[in-house]
Amino acid sequence: DQQVKQNSPSLSVQEGRISILNCDYTNSMFDYFLWYKKYPAEGPTFLISISSIKDKNEDGRFTVFLNKSAKHLSLHIVPSQPGDSAVYFCAASALSGGGADGLTFGKGTHLIIQP
Amino acid sequence: DTAVSQTPKYLVTQMGNDKSIKCEQNLGHDTMYWYKQDSKKFLKIMFSYNNKELIINETVPNRFSPKSPDKAHLNLHINSLELGDSAVYFCASSQGLPGLSDTQYFGPGTRLTVL
Repeated sequence: DQQVKQNSPSLSVQEGRISILNCDYTNSMFDYFLWYKKYPAEGPTFLISISSIKDKNEDGRFTVFLNKSAKHLSLHIVPSQPGDSAVYFCAASALSGGGADGLTFGKGTHLIIQP
Repeated sequence: DTAVSQTPKYLVTQMGNDKSIKCEQNLGHDTMYWYKQDSKKFLKIMFSYNNKELIINETVPNRFSPKSPDKAHLNLHINSLELGDSAVYFCASSQGLPGLSDTQYFGPGTRLTVL
């Protein structure tokens, strides 16, 4: 039962353009969402997060949008750079419920930035 | 000055053997985790310890036994290894309890291959 879904295994974007990575969730208890970036042979590194009381959070080139009614969030990277090529994991947690289950991850989307 | 380190990075072993993976964090965090990334690329939480106390124990075979000698270390011992145990195992740490909005910092992963 995939509670966090990233339906695009890979995404190819031209350098300088906008990259949009999507994530859907099914558990209505989730109220805190994170994006992690992972390079080959390395562990995931935290990128950006958003609480369910917000619908947008921005940090430099990275913006995360949350649509609670659709149970959907997206990560926008603009402009995309070659160093952004990596696997991006969406993760969710239920903070208000104590969050005792830790983070639930999606399968990841491999972003490839074309020169 | 690695924040979260794991050893070994690669582990190849025969079915039925017992093996351990070590994890250490030098961030002064109170909580540590073990995640398994399976062949379908899902990152699933296995265990979490807070100040050496077990606080998350997902449905994992009891052949897997975490051990936390102190809050900077969380080792994973696996008995009677099976083919299905082949995966990449990630250690992580965070300042607070799971469910708080603290960022989790991941180790580089240990690729376990059971032959």
